[in-house]
Amino acid sequence: QKEVEQNSGPLSVPEGAIASLNCTYSDRGSQSFFWYRQYSGKSPELIMFIYSNGDKEDGRFTAQLNKASQYVSLLIRDSQPSDSATYLCAVTPSGTYKYIFGTGTRLKVLA
Amino acid sequence: EAGVAQSPRYKIIEKRQSVAFWCNPISGHATLYWYQQILGQGPKLLIQFQNNGVVDDSQLPKDRFSAERLKGVDSTLKIQPAKLEDSAVYLCASSLDGRGPSYNEQFFGPGTRLTVL
Repeated sequence: QKEVEQNSGPLSVPEGAIASLNCTYSDRGSQSFFWYRQYSGKSPELIMFIYSNGDKEDGRFTAQLNKASQYVSLLIRDSQPSDSATYLCAVTPSGTYKYIFGTGTRLKVLA
Repeated sequence: EAGVAQSPRYKIIEKRQSVAFWCNPISGHATLYWYQQILGQGPKLLIQFQNNGVVDDSQLPKDRFSAERLKGVDSTLKIQPAKLEDSAVYLCASSLDGRGPSYNEQFFGPGTRLTVL
């Protein structure tokens, strides 16, 4: 079992729709969870992070964390073509502060 | 605020040659990371420095890869000799202080794309 799993996609959504990206992790003691966006040929850039169970909103983005079920998700409201990118989930395992990345989910927002 | 700087941006070498990458983190960031990102995969941590000490190098292929961070600022990553499977983007990242969740946000440089022929 991979430590951090994401569906590689592509996930296609129409412009204006809600995109839902999911990530599961294997280490139950993981502490911190990060979502990065990576455009083709570019480096990852942080969208948001979440530490506590529940939802965290930042503009059009909402991160949801459920530690009991060991998943974290990212919702993108009012999706725009400029949101088309690969979204990377990163998890900090228990006892460390390093990141374990998933393989990323490629999102395509159709105009 | 200046971001993480890396050079070169692109490098093409023959297998068995050596190559070195340079990284300058964000000013004041104590923690520096080197990642390898193969096409279609997420970044894989190679080595993590806290100031000029190594925190984690468990996934660094030490028979061919080496890294140093002199004076706790700039860092270099070297591959010698290179293999075909080393073709990847090498990303450098830094964080304010990698020892606590509140200061663990990592900021990435533009990366170096390495092609080994």
